This record gives sequence, C-alpha cells and structure tokens, in this order.
Amino acid sequence: GQNIDQPTEMTATEGAIVQINCTYQTSGFNGLFWYQQHAGEAPTFLSYNVLDGLEEKGRFSSFLSRSKGYSYLLLKELQMKDSASYLCAGLDSNYQLIWGAGTKLIIKP
Amino acid sequence: IAGITQAPTSQILAAGRRMTLRCTQDMRHNAMYWYRQDLGLGLRLIHYSNTAGTTGKGEVPDGYSVSRANTDDFPLTLASAVPSQTSVYFCASSPSEGVFNEQFFGPGTRLTVL
Repeated sequence: GQNIDQPTEMTATEGAIVQINCTYQTSGFNGLFWYQQHAGEAPTFLSYNVLDGLEEKGRFSSFLSRSKGYSYLLLKELQMKDSASYLCAGLDSNYQLIWGAGTKLIIKP
Repeated sequence: IAGITQAPTSQILAAGRRMTLRCTQDMRHNAMYWYRQDLGLGLRLIHYSNTAGTTGKGEVPDGYSVSRANTDDFPLTLASAVPSQTSVYFCASSPSEGVFNEQFFGPGTRLTVL
C-alpha cells in the first residue's frame, strides 16, 4: 500500500531551527512535495524534490533521499508566523498525490 | 476572480439532502481535484479531472459525483448526504497532470451533515 508518515506535532522556539521528517512509500515515485497550511486556511506550496539532495529556498530547505524513502523540511530562524501544519505528499506513478496527515508545528516565544 | 474560489464557505445539511459544492478557477488550468480533509488524516482525493470533459475517481469517490463541462468549473455533488461526509472540502487545480505539478487550493468548504 501507499503511505506517508510524519510526526503529528512538534514544538520549537522562535529563532531556532526545526527539522520535520517524512517517510514515504508510494507505488512508483515522481517527486515529493511539502505544503504549509495555517489553521483554517488552504494548503500552499513550499517545495518539490525529485532528485536526491537539498533544495534551499530562503529560510526553508527540503531534502530527499530516494533510496531511503525519506525527506525532511528544515525551517531556520523560526518566526511566530511559521506556526502551521506542514504536509508531506508523494507523487505516485499515476501522478496522484498521496498525502501525509501533516505535522502541526507550534512556535513558542 | 483571482485564483480558485469555492462556494459555499460553510454549510450545515440534513442527512439525505442533495448538495453541490462549487469550484471555479480563472488560471486556465487543465487539471482539477476535489479533496476532503478530516482531523488526523491526510488530504484524500475524491475525484479529479485532467482536462475538460474527462473525470476520474480518486481514493474515496463513493457518495460523490463530479462533472467538468468546461475548463473553469468543477462542481462536486453529494447525491444523498450522510454524517460521515462531514468534512472540510478543498478544490485544487494545476496546469496539467504530470511531473512537478504544483496544486493551487481554494479556501475550502466546511460541510456538516446532521
């Protein structure tokens, strides 16, 4: 079966760094997405990885290891506005997104 | 219209009633999707459409139907609502189906079936 696993909740301190992990198992693989979703709002795109390695985009970076079925999202210099859920999603061989349940990130002052 | 819109924002519905959730996008995207999001679960695909005139079933299609008469609109119909269909429904669109295809989401419809 297809499955995306990520922690349910994480807590971090403003100004710090946090890493949100995601492991995936999909039928075929065409890439790994990260989305951000603030409470009561729609998900918005953060990053896409299809090759192994680290993709950096400002304070956010995303890493992929295809051999390990593993990805992480790294958030640096945390701000209060980063409090949100972070959704990991794998693109399967039919180009359908398989979504994890999301990681709720709580930022404390 | 800018982006993707959904209506209504929220709705309380009696079980057994018919309901259509509306979704419209103005980005001329070929592909459109309907998801439901429930607490503790990931987004689950209900139905999708890769281009106007075609539709396909997702992971949880039972009790739902869709149509895609044109590029912009993708309504979702619950023929006879049941309490288990209480959820937040998101419509999304992408330029096309395929590799690296960022999906753009509407603001969602919160549906309660009593």
